[in-house]
Amino acid sequence: DAGVTQSPTHLIKTRGQQVTLRCSPKSGHDTVSWYQQALGQGPQFIFQYYEKEERGRGNFPDRFSARQFPNYSSELNVNALLLGDSALYLCASSDGVPLYGYTFGSGTRLTVV
Amino acid sequence: AQSVTQLDSHVSVSEGTPVLLRCNYSSSYSPSLFWYVQHPNKGLQLLLKYTSAATLVKGINGFEAEFKKSETSFHLTKPSAHMSDAAEYFCVVISSSGGYNKLIFGAGTRLAVHP
Repeated sequence: DAGVTQSPTHLIKTRGQQVTLRCSPKSGHDTVSWYQQALGQGPQFIFQYYEKEERGRGNFPDRFSARQFPNYSSELNVNALLLGDSALYLCASSDGVPLYGYTFGSGTRLTVV
Repeated sequence: AQSVTQLDSHVSVSEGTPVLLRCNYSSSYSPSLFWYVQHPNKGLQLLLKYTSAATLVKGINGFEAEFKKSETSFHLTKPSAHMSDAAEYFCVVISSSGGYNKLIFGAGTRLAVHP
């Protein structure tokens, strides 16, 4: 059973560019959340999507956006990249019952130079 | 608002000795708490979860945690450390507000295991 799949695994971008990160949730999961993990810190909540609708958004600027597709996969977009956007971006999926826990992907390591 | 505080940023133990990773929580209602582990260059793996059932929770790889309401703690323990336990550990609480749930992570505890 495939878990959460994220692509690409690593990415290097220049300041001011735009980036798109992709996530395929675990089979049977319909809710996707995105987290940003800066070096040496715990992950921070960015977005949650369910049924293609944004359910919640963390304290991130409008440069960050996301969407969810009918097959429950999701994309995270970041515009006008800053050096501070360098981080590990984690996707987590769940079946709508958070008490069962979330399944995380291995993440996309974004480096902005 | 819900939050968790991990009391140690680094813990170092010898192989075969007990492990104790400390976590205190703050919550206005009965919390749902998790411990996740992150090995280098890997994603997060769920170790165990507390959801207001038994206060002593057993997880994978011999880890367990005890929920103590009087102390607002949820410390992670393991009787005997193995080299493969070296990783970053996160204490996590679910925050339920605005009609959805999200995970609130502690800052993490890096566990080093020495031969």
